[in-house]
Amino acid sequence: EAGVAQSPRYKIIEKRQSVAFWCNPISGHATLYWYQQILGQGPKLLIQFQNNGVVDDSQLPKDRFSAERLKGVDSTLKIQPAKLEDSAVYLCASSLVGFPGELFFGEGSRLTVL
Amino acid sequence: DQQVKQNSPSLSVQEGRISILNCDYTNSMFDYFLWYKKYPAEGPTFLISISSIKDKNEDGRFTVFLNKSAKHLSLHIVPSQPGDSAVYFCAASAGGSNYKLTFGKGTLLTVNP
Repeated sequence: EAGVAQSPRYKIIEKRQSVAFWCNPISGHATLYWYQQILGQGPKLLIQFQNNGVVDDSQLPKDRFSAERLKGVDSTLKIQPAKLEDSAVYLCASSLVGFPGELFFGEGSRLTVL
Repeated sequence: DQQVKQNSPSLSVQEGRISILNCDYTNSMFDYFLWYKKYPAEGPTFLISISSIKDKNEDGRFTVFLNKSAKHLSLHIVPSQPGDSAVYFCAASAGGSNYKLTFGKGTLLTVNP
């Protein structure tokens, strides 16, 4: 079974530039999550989708971050404009609907903002 | 406000001995708890979980204990192996329809041969 796919693995940009990350969840997983993990911290939920609807985006900085999940499958997370404090690993995860808490994570996309 | 706390940033143990990783939580609405393991440059992988209706769950070398009155859980690894060296994250969920997870900061476990 293929795991959660993410790209790019690494990205370096200047502040105020934009960046986009892509995620393809495990086939059949209706729920998709984007987490931000800053160095030395645990993952923090940015946004959660169920199919193509948003379930929770309470911690998403909506002035600069946006995410979409067209057709309820893959998803894109965009940051525009980026700030220095956005340097982090962006983790995508997916899960079966209704399954309590067991998430399957991708390898992550490491963003460095200079 | 950190609702899931892992107060030990690191832990070092000898191969074959027991590793005990601790986690405290403050939100009494949490009813499901999980441990994830993370190797460098990889995403976290699920290790073991426990529901609030239980106080112990065992899976091979891994056992999770939950003390609801103390809002404390621990992960025991017996015997520890060098391949267990990784960052361990404690996570908690308040259930409901979205099962949103709140993670601790993690504990780096090093198992020395």
